Amino acid sequence: GENVEQHPSTLSVQEGDSAVIKCTYSDSASNYFPWYKQELGKRPQLIIDIRSNVGEKKDQRIAVTLNKTAKHFSLHITETQPEDSAVYFCAASKGPGDSSYKLIFGSGTRLLVRP
Amino acid sequence: DGGITQSPKYLFRKEGQNVTLSCEQNLNHDAMYWYRQDPGQGLRLIYYSQIVNDFQKGDIAEGYSVSREKKESFPLTVTSAQKNPTAFYLCASSFGGQQFFGPGTRLTVL
Repeated sequence: GENVEQHPSTLSVQEGDSAVIKCTYSDSASNYFPWYKQELGKRPQLIIDIRSNVGEKKDQRIAVTLNKTAKHFSLHITETQPEDSAVYFCAASKGPGDSSYKLIFGSGTRLLVRP
Repeated sequence: DGGITQSPKYLFRKEGQNVTLSCEQNLNHDAMYWYRQDPGQGLRLIYYSQIVNDFQKGDIAEGYSVSREKKESFPLTVTSAQKNPTAFYLCASSFGGQQFFGPGTRLTVL
């Protein structure tokens, strides 16, 4: 069935360093890939997303890259700050090919940014 | 996602009792979803609905029921058949693939 694998499960970095989280999806028909940030006790917040016709997208300190051939995509956070500490989830869906836009989520990465 | 509301924020249920969680959105989104999140875990899909009067089971639908009588409302009932319902429940709606979450309801079984 459809599956999204996410690594690592935990990541600890020094403030100012970069963090990279990687996801691999199984369904080659997937064409929409969002990333969510969830702080403790709060709702997941959409922070960036990418569609399959684009290989990279950047928004200030956050970037996402997509390799459709290898079926993997990554979240890159540069110049990390303590407020980046949270759980990050990747997801994949088939977009217009699946009108429900049902998202398949990864298992999450707990990022800790040490001051 | 400020247009998605869930109530109550906290809910306590006794064994054998049915409870209903509310989810309302004023974003005019067609699709709505319910997820369950256990402590330290990811998001698991319970039910989803693409249009009014239609819904589909997700990965963990057993012990839950939903209705979609209005576009803006998608209530979730946790029935007594759900043996371990203590969790954080998140409602979401989507447009054009982007999915936005409500603030969640934390359900505890006493």
